[in-house]
Amino acid sequence: GQSLEQPSEVTAVEGAIVQINCTYQTSGFYGLSWYQQHDGGAPTFLSYNGLDGLEETGRFSSFLSRSDSYGYLLLQELQMKDSASYFCAVGYQKVTFGTGTKLQVIP
Amino acid sequence: GAVVSQHPSWVICKSGTSVKIECRSLDFQATTMFWYRQFPKQSLMLMATSNEGSKATYEQGVEKDKFLINHASLTLSTLTVTSAHPEDSSFYICSAPPGTRATNEQFFGPGTRLTVL
Repeated sequence: GQSLEQPSEVTAVEGAIVQINCTYQTSGFYGLSWYQQHDGGAPTFLSYNGLDGLEETGRFSSFLSRSDSYGYLLLQELQMKDSASYFCAVGYQKVTFGTGTKLQVIP
Repeated sequence: GAVVSQHPSWVICKSGTSVKIECRSLDFQATTMFWYRQFPKQSLMLMATSNEGSKATYEQGVEKDKFLINHASLTLSTLTVTSAHPEDSSFYICSAPPGTRATNEQFFGPGTRLTVL
């Protein structure tokens, strides 16, 4: 089976930097993806790491270490609109999502 | 980008009735679509894989006779919750991969909130 563990909740201050971790156990690995989901909305794709290292997309960066079965999402210059749930995910087409981290950005 | 729509966005029904949810890929063809269910404050759980022109494949623990899936065209998959009960109340989301392998990105519909009274 596959499992992806994340912290359940994180609180950070507007303008700060926050890191959301993800540890996984999978059979077959096609890379680690990250999705954002606002309350009542659909998940939206943020980033993908197929290889080890850091991928940067604007204020968001994602890191992967396949040897450690670990990745993280880094959000910089936090804004109030970043308050949402964030999910790491594995799988090609058929996606398994992590447990999810609810991020609350406070003024 | 690829757009996936769902209809209805929300539905309230009485216990014992059936509800059909549609998932459409608007600007691309999808031979495969996926159905997820999300209970409050939980993650998305894959229910089944919808395959155009063939039977759906269901994840372990999902009753195929209760959650009927039909993928009659390259742009439409439907999920029918038969004899719905209050415990079926959930957020149902479909997704479709646009076919690119580069990023593993999935495109999700806006979801359907089902409430069974």
